[in-house]
Amino acid sequence: AQSVAQPEDQVNVAEGNPLTVKCTYSVSGNPYLFWYVQYPNRGLQFLLKYITGDNLVKGSYGFEAEFNKSQTSFHLKKPSALVSDSALYFCAVYMPYQKVTFGTGTKLQVIP
Amino acid sequence: GAGVSQSPSNKVTEKGKDVELRCDPISGHTALYWYRQRLGQGLEFLIYFQGNSAPDKSGLPSDRFSAERTGESVSTLTIQRTQQEDSAVYLCASSPGLAGVTDTQYFGPGTRLTVL
Repeated sequence: AQSVAQPEDQVNVAEGNPLTVKCTYSVSGNPYLFWYVQYPNRGLQFLLKYITGDNLVKGSYGFEAEFNKSQTSFHLKKPSALVSDSALYFCAVYMPYQKVTFGTGTKLQVIP
Repeated sequence: GAGVSQSPSNKVTEKGKDVELRCDPISGHTALYWYRQRLGQGLEFLIYFQGNSAPDKSGLPSDRFSAERTGESVSTLTIQRTQQEDSAVYLCASSPGLAGVTDTQYFGPGTRLTVL
């Protein structure tokens, strides 16, 4: 069975510093990987996805993520954090013929 | 443009009652998903509709849960004989349906269900 883990419930980072939100997965085969963001009092929004090709995926709002097959990771990164990036971030994995599995979420707090 | 809408935004009900949650997807989106988000937990897949194909109901937690979709538009999630453990935010998402479940999903604001 596929699974996805977000090992940090919360990540705190100072504004202007680089940020990383971690995601690891466990699947048999080649996964499709997604990041979604949930701003306060708003619905989930798609950030980026890895399907195939270049391991470095660029997405919305300056975010990017790197697919690392050997480490089974898909960490979300941004070079310079903004206060407005403070939100709840979800990683998700999908394997063909199985349903999408979401992680439990990581709360990102960017401190001014 | 109009996004995915859900109603009601909040629903408080008594244990044992039935509830209906509604989702209006983005026009033209053939795929529609329902998820459940319990407090402090990730999203739990419930059901997936794709066009006229038979829905993927593999995530429904019990036979008290059912969902219908009218053509490629409105969907209703019904929970019968609600239990306190059904309390959660129920999220609906739609996608163009061009690439199956790897499509970008567009989420509604959710319905917060509280079962007393």
